[in-house]
Amino acid sequence: QKEVEQDPGPLSVPEGAIVSLNCTYSDRGSQSFFWYRQYSGKSPELIMSIYSNGDKEDGRFTAQLNKASQYVSLLIRDSQPSDSATYLCAASGGSYIPTFGRGTSLIVHP
Amino acid sequence: KAGVTQTPRYLIKTRGQQVTLSCSPISGHRSVSWYQQTPGQGLQFLFEYFSETQRNKGNFPGRFSGRQFSNSRSEMNVSTLELGDSALYLCASSWTGSNEKLFFGSGTQLSVL
Repeated sequence: QKEVEQDPGPLSVPEGAIVSLNCTYSDRGSQSFFWYRQYSGKSPELIMSIYSNGDKEDGRFTAQLNKASQYVSLLIRDSQPSDSATYLCAASGGSYIPTFGRGTSLIVHP
Repeated sequence: KAGVTQTPRYLIKTRGQQVTLSCSPISGHRSVSWYQQTPGQGLQFLFEYFSETQRNKGNFPGRFSGRQFSNSRSEMNVSTLELGDSALYLCASSWTGSNEKLFFGSGTQLSVL
């Protein structure tokens, strides 16, 4: 059974902090990895996708992938109160739709 | 470009009733998948449809069913509702459903009393 594991948190940090959110996956056949952000009462929205080993940067966000360790992370620099949300990690491969982790709750306080 | 549209936004039903939820994907997207989200279980995959065919199915009882029409719109039906079916039901669409990012609708919040 394909699984994606995340620490549920909550992770509480002060504004301006660097935040690292981590995720491990069980299916070695996974090829595509996604980070979704979900605000309370809202639906998930994609913030990053990564397909090859290494880092991928987009503004304040950096996704990191290590397929050998089956590990994905999301780095948020200069965190803002508006980043307070639940972050969902997802992995997919082959013909399968993504498998989601249960998410990590992040709280950024002013 | 219009996003994924789900209706209704909220539903209140009683045990034993049945319910139908609707999802219109982004224009051109042929894959529609359905998820159940609860605080304790996170996003649980229900099923995925592509070109009117159910291609993937999660571990839910047969009371949960769905279908997809030729215009890619999808419906999900839950029969004989139970209290535990209270959840946010999310629909997501993508071009092919394989290794792709998903675009989610706003969801239908179902409460079973």
